[in-house]
Amino acid sequence: DTAVSQTPKYLVTQMGNDKSIKCEQNLGHDTMYWYKQDSKKFLKIMFSYNNKELIINETVPNRFSPKSPDKAHLNLHINSLELGDSAVYFCASSQDSWPYNSPLHFGNGTRLTVT
Amino acid sequence: LAKTTQPISMDSYEGQEVNITCSHNNIATNDYITWYQQFPSQGPRFIIQGYKTKVTNEVASLFIPADRKSSTLSLPRVSLSDTAVYYCLVGDSMDTGRRALTFGSGTRLQVQP
Repeated sequence: DTAVSQTPKYLVTQMGNDKSIKCEQNLGHDTMYWYKQDSKKFLKIMFSYNNKELIINETVPNRFSPKSPDKAHLNLHINSLELGDSAVYFCASSQDSWPYNSPLHFGNGTRLTVT
Repeated sequence: LAKTTQPISMDSYEGQEVNITCSHNNIATNDYITWYQQFPSQGPRFIIQGYKTKVTNEVASLFIPADRKSSTLSLPRVSLSDTAVYYCLVGDSMDTGRRALTFGSGTRLQVQP
């Protein structure tokens, strides 16, 4: 069974479109994240939710809006897509046993290509 | 913010021991040091985590000196399948007061036959 699953795996779309990426985890974790990996392979955190509550909101454009219907799901909606949004987006989850940095479990990523 | 510095790339041969060192001069008292491995087209995978001295599991060992300003991931007897990018992370304080892990650029390990 896949612990953290994201869909779709590939997403090709045109500039200006709106798209969503879905993420689900079956690990019973309390915290979920969205990370963006650019062409240079830097992994940057975008958002983090703990029990459906937004706890981290990095400096990302307002066009990106995360939604967590329950603690097992964290979806990412992107409005008015731009060329610079092309990247691989990773969903992750962790047990978040504060104050320790509990290990992250990642999905296999969604490769977004904006043309 | 606790930043990390790692070599961009390393080369090794099958059967050798590989040591990847990470610098984290601004590590905070409560921060743990965590290493991840990433294969192409996959998400990063947790390898090992430690706070001080030495930690060992079935995959790797992690050596942390007393000042905790650096750490070394040791992979014994690497194989071709260990070719991947290895990330060293320490906790990162965010504005909200909660903590998340910030990934640096990682070390690309290439294992040759």
